[in-house]
Amino acid sequence: EVQLVESGGGLVQPGGSLRLSCAASGFTLSNYGMNWVRQAPGKGLEWISFISSSGITKYYVDSVKGRFTISRDSAKNSLYLQMNSLRDDDTAVYYCARDRQGWLDPWGQGTLVTVSS
Amino acid sequence: EIVLTQSPATLSLSPGERATLSCRASQSVSSYLAWYQHKPGQAPSLLIYDASNRATGIPARFSASGSGTDFTLTISSLEPEDFAVYYCQQRSDWPRTFGQGTKVEIK
Repeated sequence: EVQLVESGGGLVQPGGSLRLSCAASGFTLSNYGMNWVRQAPGKGLEWISFISSSGITKYYVDSVKGRFTISRDSAKNSLYLQMNSLRDDDTAVYYCARDRQGWLDPWGQGTLVTVSS
Repeated sequence: EIVLTQSPATLSLSPGERATLSCRASQSVSSYLAWYQHKPGQAPSLLIYDASNRATGIPARFSASGSGTDFTLTISSLEPEDFAVYYCQQRSDWPRTFGQGTKVEIK
């Protein structure tokens, strides 16, 4: 069964850092592009980052450029999101999702990040 | 950035009724549009890709159409499990963007 499980969320102060992980099972993560998407409380889905299967090509939404870094570890079959200089408006549930020619399928259950003092 | 505008924001219907959801793009996305279903506390799931193709395992009561800037998702006869929020998403250009969602609620 193809499955994605996020971890690493929690409470962090403004200006702090957090690293999210996404463990894949049932498929080889390095064969696919991968995405991070977030949902702030009471808001809709927001795509934030993509990494290609090779790991060479990366894209970010403007609001996280320079603060967030997407990466992958083939040996661990895992995806990561390093989040620095966190702001209140980064508070959200963060989902990882496999890329299927631009479509996101499947998605993980999400991990909650709360930025608050 | 391509902006996707969904309407209506909320659709109040009864089981068995037909639901029609709209997604309009700020510029042409050709057929590069998908629809997702999202239930509270669950992972979003892909329903439709390339504007009109049902994803694996999606029932035939879900259909979609459109190209360019105007797209429609139709649920022919609502089942209790269909009450959820639906999002459209484009892959025509970076950044990928989602619409703001349409909530289909029980009337």
